[in-house]
Amino acid sequence: AQTVTQSQPEMSVQEAETVTLSCTYDTSESDYYLFWYKQPPSRQMILVIRQEAYKQQNATENRFSVNFQKAAKSFSLKISDSQLGDAAMYFCAYRIRDDKIIFGKGTRLHILP
Amino acid sequence: SAVISQKPSRDICQRGTSLTIQCQVDSQVTMMFWYRQQPGQSLTLIATANQGSEATYESGFVIDKFPISRPNLTFSTLTVSNMSPEDSSIYLCSVEAREYQETQYFGPGTRLLVL
Repeated sequence: AQTVTQSQPEMSVQEAETVTLSCTYDTSESDYYLFWYKQPPSRQMILVIRQEAYKQQNATENRFSVNFQKAAKSFSLKISDSQLGDAAMYFCAYRIRDDKIIFGKGTRLHILP
Repeated sequence: SAVISQKPSRDICQRGTSLTIQCQVDSQVTMMFWYRQQPGQSLTLIATANQGSEATYESGFVIDKFPISRPNLTFSTLTVSNMSPEDSSIYLCSVEAREYQETQYFGPGTRLLVL
């Protein structure tokens, strides 16, 4: 069965610094999709970044980038120049086509002013 | 991305009552999804709703407890029936992105507290 593991329940980073959130997953599939979602206190789930497993190039979205290591089944999220608005719960997620999304347990990120 | 709204945004209910949550999307979508997020937990899929057919429920969720309607391609409802304090959660609906169907966008959620 596919699983998604986020080993860091909480993390803190100084404003303007860089932080990396870890995510590993377990699958026997070769074609799948990976996501990072952000859930601020407002509770809305916001898509931060998506990665297609068949693409070797790491996805980037402004200050957010991923380090996708397919062989190691690792999908970490790097946030550069951290801002107060980045404070949120971050969920790593996995999906194969036509199947449900599997979420990790989340990492709560605190931004220290 | 799709614009998704949910009503109510929050509610406090008495045990034994039922609450219907509405989800409205600004564009036609084939599949809509309902999730539950218990306090401090991750998201759990309740069911998948296709227009014109019965919803497909995940293990541990039954239609009698969580009836779902999907009358058209932009709207769905989830009812939480005969509520107990254990039903206190955030309930979120989501839809597949038109351009990337493996990607889901989420509504703002409904925070439910059952006393």
